[in-house]
Amino acid sequence: IAGITQAPTSQILAAGRRMTLRCTQDMRHNAMYWYRQDLGLGLRLIHYSNTAGTTGKGEVPDGYSVSRANTDDFPLTLASAVPSQTSVYFCASSSGTSGSDTQYFGPGTRLTVL
Amino acid sequence: GQNIDQPTEMTATEGAIVQINCTYQTSGFNGLFWYQQHAGEAPTFLSYNVLDGLEEKGRFSSFLSRSKGYSYLLLKELQMKDSASYLCAVKSNDYKLSFGAGTTVTVRA
Repeated sequence: IAGITQAPTSQILAAGRRMTLRCTQDMRHNAMYWYRQDLGLGLRLIHYSNTAGTTGKGEVPDGYSVSRANTDDFPLTLASAVPSQTSVYFCASSSGTSGSDTQYFGPGTRLTVL
Repeated sequence: GQNIDQPTEMTATEGAIVQINCTYQTSGFNGLFWYQQHAGEAPTFLSYNVLDGLEEKGRFSSFLSRSKGYSYLLLKELQMKDSASYLCAVKSNDYKLSFGAGTTVTVRA
């Protein structure tokens, strides 16, 4: 049982480059999320998708874009990376979006922008 | 905006009990979650509270008071493997999770 996979595990990127972080889940969950985690700030929501074909902005969406072409995949793209986007990125999914629906997290991608 | 506060660090001895407090001010309330996160790993789900009271799950218990905007996670019979960060998260009116910064618990032998 894979659950949620993310790729790459880690990446060092030059500022100004384009980068796509990949996220795939095999649980047939409707909702998916992207968070960034920075020391002292906790997890912050970047973008989310309640169901395939729809996306929405979270707390910190600037500089990021997402797409949800199918149920399983939810890639996050940095169009032109900046050093402030250095962070650990976690993808998560949940079966639905009601109160009790638990979010399950992927292993994360550690991104460094120089 | 959402405001979720929890202590930054706590230290306890193996076999002891530790209580991690979480206070919140959010736009509505649709449940409170606790997650455990070991260093370098993903957060993993521990507990969910939506009604007032205590939820017990083995060595871990979670308490909620909605009127006070307060929750705690109780870890009993501490083990070395319990050394981790514990994240408090609240699901607000828009059904999105807002996380506290996390409490790092260190268990000493």
